Amino acid sequence: DIQMTQSPSTLSASVGDRVTITCRASQSFSTWLAWYQQSPGKAPKLLIHLTSTLASGVPSRFSGSGSGTEFTLTISSLQPDDFATYYCQQYNSYYRTFGQGTKVEL
Amino acid sequence: EVHLVESGGNLVKPGGSLRLSCAASGFTFSDYNMNWVRQVPGRGLEWVASISGSSSHIYYADSVKGRFTISRDNAKNSLYLQMNSLRVEDTALYYCARPDCSGDDCLLLLYWGQGTVVTVSS
Repeated sequence: DIQMTQSPSTLSASVGDRVTITCRASQSFSTWLAWYQQSPGKAPKLLIHLTSTLASGVPSRFSGSGSGTEFTLTISSLQPDDFATYYCQQYNSYYRTFGQGTKVEL
Repeated sequence: EVHLVESGGNLVKPGGSLRLSCAASGFTFSDYNMNWVRQVPGRGLEWVASISGSSSHIYYADSVKGRFTISRDNAKNSLYLQMNSLRVEDTALYYCARPDCSGDDCLLLLYWGQGTVVTVSS
């Protein structure tokens, strides 16, 4: 299975900050990389798929990039609703794996 | 509107069994592969099992293989997870999830239920 490692585990930031989260894969795969946002008590919400494609309704301050084994999620200007936990996930096959999560806190 | 509602979670002793259900609505259930994903409290997400629309292809995470069985009833628009030989480490919130498109090659999980809690403890 492909292992996904996110960094940092926790990120302290303020409203308006530019935030970057990194996800590294144990082996290279194509662009089948997604990012999810999860707020407390809620199910994960898809933000980005195919490494850099925004899901429907997701604000343009979110962006994704990367290839091979290194991928990033960037929030250009952090908003109050963005304080949440973010997960990367590879969906290269049915044996999908998630990163351990990055909590973005104030 | 796509709607997924899980049920069946409960407190069970180690070694016990439990059957989870997911009631689906708002789409043609048989066209989509379906999935179970779990989340240990305060921790990350783990894909558990997947089943194709016709039930012809089934996949399990190594951590549950041989103990859990995923199944579906397309006539009832329902997904199931039979969990046997439960362990303390199976304690989690179990989500039912549907991909963004129909067909067995669709792997991106777009729609999620709200989950059902399984607690394995003596």
